[in-house]
Amino acid sequence: DSGVTQTPKHLITATGQRVTLRCSPRSGDLSVYWYQQSLDQGLQFLIQYYNGEERAKGNILERFSAQQFPDLHSELNLSSLELGDSALYFCASSVDRDRATDTQYFGPGTRLTVL
Amino acid sequence: GQSLEQPSEVTAVEGAIVQINCTYQTSGFYGLSWYQQHDGGAPTFLSYNGLDGLEETGRFSSFLSRSDSYGYLLLQELQMKDSASYFCAVRADSSGSARQLTFGSGTQLTVLP
Repeated sequence: DSGVTQTPKHLITATGQRVTLRCSPRSGDLSVYWYQQSLDQGLQFLIQYYNGEERAKGNILERFSAQQFPDLHSELNLSSLELGDSALYFCASSVDRDRATDTQYFGPGTRLTVL
Repeated sequence: GQSLEQPSEVTAVEGAIVQINCTYQTSGFYGLSWYQQHDGGAPTFLSYNGLDGLEETGRFSSFLSRSDSYGYLLLQELQMKDSASYFCAVRADSSGSARQLTFGSGTQLTVLP
């Protein structure tokens, strides 16, 4: 158990809908990262927040948005869902912002299925 | 941008030694990490190399050559539970100086009895 929690574990929804994925980082970690992993694919970095502020953006679609709240939990919002958005969405957290040796700890993921 | 290459599949028998290679192309390189992921599970951190050379952690070792843009993960005394996907990931500068992790596509290791 990494100490990172994600809810829900599974989510099934229809095309065109909007969903929110939630992540609570490890105690003491200030950075939160979101990744997408499609079937048999590697992890694609979406976005990073550090202490409530957006720090870096990766390959995140405009239909997707995220935020980090004062209690440091984060939410990833996916809207106008398409079949291709079906994937595992992981949240990770780390202590620091961009120290090279900073280890990222991953949550169990949310499996999103868009029908 | 960054790109990484690693073999898609490796098969070995229990008790053997296996090496998973990773080559990368990136600018602003800081280090190479390795993560293990069992089917459907969360990626878990295995090792990090910021400098050239070998890092050893129990049965697992990781090597980096910055001049060759190359690293490998060495797994010794393979056990059935080592069957998993292994990802290399580079830590590199991107816009805004945030040192993002960029992951390779992963190597599926199958350990046979």
